[in-house]
Amino acid sequence: NAGVTQTPKFRILKIGQSMTLQCTQDMNHNYMYWYRQDPGMGLKLIYYSVGAGITDKGEVPNGYNVSRSTTEDFPLRLELAAPSQTSVYFCASSFPLEGSTNEKLFFGSGTQLSVL
Amino acid sequence: QQQVKQSPQSLIVQKGGISIINCAYENTAFDYFPWYQQFPGKGPALLIAIRPDVSEKKEGRFTISFNKSAKQFSLHIMDSQPGDSATYFCAASIRGDYKLSFGAGTTVTVRA
Repeated sequence: NAGVTQTPKFRILKIGQSMTLQCTQDMNHNYMYWYRQDPGMGLKLIYYSVGAGITDKGEVPNGYNVSRSTTEDFPLRLELAAPSQTSVYFCASSFPLEGSTNEKLFFGSGTQLSVL
Repeated sequence: QQQVKQSPQSLIVQKGGISIINCAYENTAFDYFPWYQQFPGKGPALLIAIRPDVSEKKEGRFTISFNKSAKQFSLHIMDSQPGDSATYFCAASIRGDYKLSFGAGTTVTVRA
């Protein structure tokens, strides 16, 4: 089982460029998430999805967009890259039981993005 | 604004020593408190978790202590080993809301 796969692992962008961070999971999880990790700040939720066709904003959604056309894929789009988007991005998935709290998130290995 | 406050930012411990990481929260609706462990270049992975109906949970050398009245919880790593060197995140979530709020993280270095 591959789990959660993110591509690319590293990327350098120029200010104003656009790119898509890819995320796919093979565990048939209905919930998927995008987090960004900055030094000393922990992980901040950008967007999340509770199933195909459904997405919602997290804590820090500005400058990003997502789509969820299939259960497996949850790409993150940066339209006009800015230096403030320099970060490590993690995709995660989970399969919470109805009425429970989120039992376990499975994370990908991350994408390190630099905007110069 | 961090919903879960974590301290210290980093700590160094000798092999065989005890590492202690503390977290505090304000939202009394939180009812699930996991700890995630992250090695360099990897994504976080669930280490251990607790619910507020118990005051302590132990799994091997890792123990969570939970103080509901003080709204605090902590991770204790007993007999710390070099392989425990990692960044540890506490987190919290509300039943039925599947989003985790993470602390800022603690980098633990275990010296041999």
